[in-house]
Amino acid sequence: EVQLLESGGGLLQPGGSLRLSCAASGFTFSFHVMSWVRQAPGKGLEWVSGLSGTGGNTYYADSVKGRFTISRDNSKKTLYLQMNSLRVEDTAVYYCARLAAGGAGWFDSWGQGTLVTVSS
Amino acid sequence: QLVLTQSPSASASLGASVKLTCTLNSGHNNYAIAWHQQQPEKGPHYLMKVNSDGSHIKGDGIPDRFSGSSSGAERYLTISSLQSEDEADYYCQTWGPGSIWVFGGGTKLSVL
Repeated sequence: EVQLLESGGGLLQPGGSLRLSCAASGFTFSFHVMSWVRQAPGKGLEWVSGLSGTGGNTYYADSVKGRFTISRDNSKKTLYLQMNSLRVEDTAVYYCARLAAGGAGWFDSWGQGTLVTVSS
Repeated sequence: QLVLTQSPSASASLGASVKLTCTLNSGHNNYAIAWHQQQPEKGPHYLMKVNSDGSHIKGDGIPDRFSGSSSGAERYLTISSLQSEDEADYYCQTWGPGSIWVFGGGTKLSVL
């Protein structure tokens, strides 16, 4: 069974930094593009960042480019999101999501999310 | 720019059917999309991918009550024999050049 378990969320002040983790199990982690998607309170889903299976290609939404860094450790089957220069508008539940195999463009598995709150 | 449009809300009675719509913006009629369900206080859950020809690939364990179809720039999710647990937010999602991923605004489905 595919499982994605996020951790690392918390409450912090604007300008702060945080690193999220997503522990994967139940599938060959390195075979899949992985991504982070967030959901602000009461709002819809927003794609944040994506990373190829080898870690060689990274993709970012304009709203986080230059502030967030996605990475992965395939030996640990873990995806990360380093978030710097956090803003109030980054407050959201952050979901880890798996892209379907073979370079497909749709998310076929999701985690339960971790809440990041940025507030002064 | 790739944009997906969904109606903010929909409603239907218990046991009835409902058809949710996701519309691709001009120039993207041939794009496939995926449907995701998000029940209250839960993470999203993949339902199916819908191609421009209407064919679809369901996620594991998705009941036959859920089906997908297409017409032009519109992609549909039809839920038949509505059950109370179908009350949820439904998001369509697609992807574009440069590996950019896009979500529609979501449709909140109420089961009456």
